[in-house]
Amino acid sequence: GAGVSQSPSNKVTEKGKDVELRCDPISGHTALYWYRQSLGQGLEFLIYFQGNSAPDKSGLPSDRFSAERTGGSVSTLTIQRTQQEDSAVYLCASSLVIAGDQPQHFGDGTRLSIL
Amino acid sequence: RKEVEQDPGPFNVPEGATVAFNCTYSNSASQSFFWYRQDCRKEPKLLMSVYSSGNEDGRFTAQLNRASQYISLLIRDSKLSDSATYLCVVIKAAGNKLTFGGGTRVLVKP
Repeated sequence: GAGVSQSPSNKVTEKGKDVELRCDPISGHTALYWYRQSLGQGLEFLIYFQGNSAPDKSGLPSDRFSAERTGGSVSTLTIQRTQQEDSAVYLCASSLVIAGDQPQHFGDGTRLSIL
Repeated sequence: RKEVEQDPGPFNVPEGATVAFNCTYSNSASQSFFWYRQDCRKEPKLLMSVYSSGNEDGRFTAQLNRASQYISLLIRDSKLSDSATYLCVVIKAAGNKLTFGGGTRVLVKP
């Protein structure tokens, strides 16, 4: 389809392992966001990319988290040395531009479980 | 104080009734506002933008009160399918990130 695609849809891993989550935004969307949602919690902003500008990393909870966006399209979110508190649904969203009236379109999310 | 705050609810609403709830924001420079709907274990979906003059979309009405720094969502003639969590979203300025409220849970019961 033409929506935001995330993979994997589910990921279970052991504490201490590294994980990589992928987001493929809607074609032509210049803005890309990563959020996470812990069980019963609201959405927590992590990072966003806009075109070729430096990303806003202000929401990353620790230096174990990093993200990149290659070629202005696909993005990967990497979590190193995972901890149990990293367990959450990681949502990616894209929008045409970062502007007041441009809605974000969300992917289905990656459900990450750290054992 | 959180940037964007919502009453988590749940708001238990009889089918056919009207329900309204607010979202307060702390930054007076906030420029754009939205309501998103999120179903259990699903991704958020845009419900409607909130304009300064207020706007209506079918049974849903959104209002913005800049003086008191809150937005509201009113649902008339509630349907069972309206049961969801409603997320308030605020943007401080173009080029800035969205900030989500924690969501208000609405349960419509027969």
